[in-house]
Amino acid sequence: GESVGLHLPTLSVQEGDNSIINCAYSNSASDYFIWYKQESGKGPQFIIDIRSNMDKRQGQRVTVLLNKTVKHLSLQIAATQPGDSAVYFCAENNNAGNMLTFGGGTRLMVKP
Amino acid sequence: DTAVSQTPKYLVTQMGNDKSIKCEQNLGHDTMYWYKQDSKKFLKIMFSYNNKELIINETVPNRFSPKSPDKAHLNLHINSLELGDSAVYFCASSQDRWAGATGETQYFGPGTRLLVL
Repeated sequence: GESVGLHLPTLSVQEGDNSIINCAYSNSASDYFIWYKQESGKGPQFIIDIRSNMDKRQGQRVTVLLNKTVKHLSLQIAATQPGDSAVYFCAENNNAGNMLTFGGGTRLMVKP
Repeated sequence: DTAVSQTPKYLVTQMGNDKSIKCEQNLGHDTMYWYKQDSKKFLKIMFSYNNKELIINETVPNRFSPKSPDKAHLNLHINSLELGDSAVYFCASSQDRWAGATGETQYFGPGTRLLVL
């Protein structure tokens, strides 16, 4: 069936470095994608979103890149800080547009 | 004020019991959701309600029964709890039922950690 990034890898970066978290999706009909951040013991929190008519969108210290050709989504975090340590999820809307499907998440660990 | 709140935060119970988790949102949103997150952090939608009407039911066992008394509340009742029900349950809300149609995102509650012994 359709899937979004089924694994939970861990990315370890040094404080101050840039982080890149990747997500693969397989539903070519998806037209809306979101990145969420989940800190320990908390619920997922919206970071940034992007529509399929865009290939890049920037926020504060975060950038999302969308490559529809290879169905790949990435989240770039500039100057990673200890507070960025969390699990990051990508999500896509379904064909009917009324539901988000979440990927398996990536754990980001920031070393001081 | 907390936008999406859930009670209880922790729930430890015996197999076979019936329990309820409550969710309230004060964002004025029309749509609410229940998600289950397993021990591997995989997050999967269970139900969605729009203005008290069930719009998504993702093949969840009928031991799980959501109830929406009004659009600000979506409670989850679980009958005959099983070991496999142990997970973190998240409630969420969004303004609109269409994910992304208006650039709307979902706001999540803090989660309810359910442990079935």
